[in-house]
Amino acid sequence: EAQVTQNPRYLITVTGKKLTVTCSQNMNHEYMSWYRQDPGLGLRQIYYSMNVEVTDKGDVPEGYKVSRKEKRNFPLILESPSPNQTSLYFCASSSPDRERGKLFFGSGTQLSVL
Amino acid sequence: KNEVEQSPQNLTAQEGEFITINCSYSVGISALHWLQQHPGGGIVSLFMLSSGKKKHGRLIATINIQEKHSSLHITASHPRDSAVYICAAKWWNGGSQGNLIFGKGTKLSVKP
Repeated sequence: EAQVTQNPRYLITVTGKKLTVTCSQNMNHEYMSWYRQDPGLGLRQIYYSMNVEVTDKGDVPEGYKVSRKEKRNFPLILESPSPNQTSLYFCASSSPDRERGKLFFGSGTQLSVL
Repeated sequence: KNEVEQSPQNLTAQEGEFITINCSYSVGISALHWLQQHPGGGIVSLFMLSSGKKKHGRLIATINIQEKHSSLHITASHPRDSAVYICAAKWWNGGSQGNLIFGKGTKLSVKP
């Protein structure tokens, strides 16, 4: 089944403790991206990757890192999480030439930083 | 600043009504996405448009590049269409096409 898998689904952590949210897709998509969703602010893009070893900043990259060493995986790293990074996070992937360019989203990760 | 505006913010309709949700953006784009987010939180992509019109079942999406405007229409609305609908504009960004800017969403409630 074609899917984008995010883990974990829920995460509670403390300020300063490094964490990684994983994202994996099985559709051989070139494009992958990370978003955060906050009440009143909607969805905002954090980072995106056009292909392996190619990443670029979105609108709100501060405090986040990403890497794209393999086509299927695009982890989001918070080196020193802070309470203002408490949010609902989504990963997505797509291919410009297939599935009419649609984005495929993961189920989301609800992160709480205490 | 690149912006995406959606209207209305909230919409309540009776089952069977024709619904229109609007999305306007401030600068030139390469494509526009329409997304649906159900109360459980999952996000589903409905359409990606770069010109003209697309149709899938009861959903129709149109885009007018010159007027910087897109619409999502739902014909014969049904309570299961109740969700938040979000448009997202794909900007050119230094030659890369990966930057997405989102509208704040339209919360649709369809009453039986």
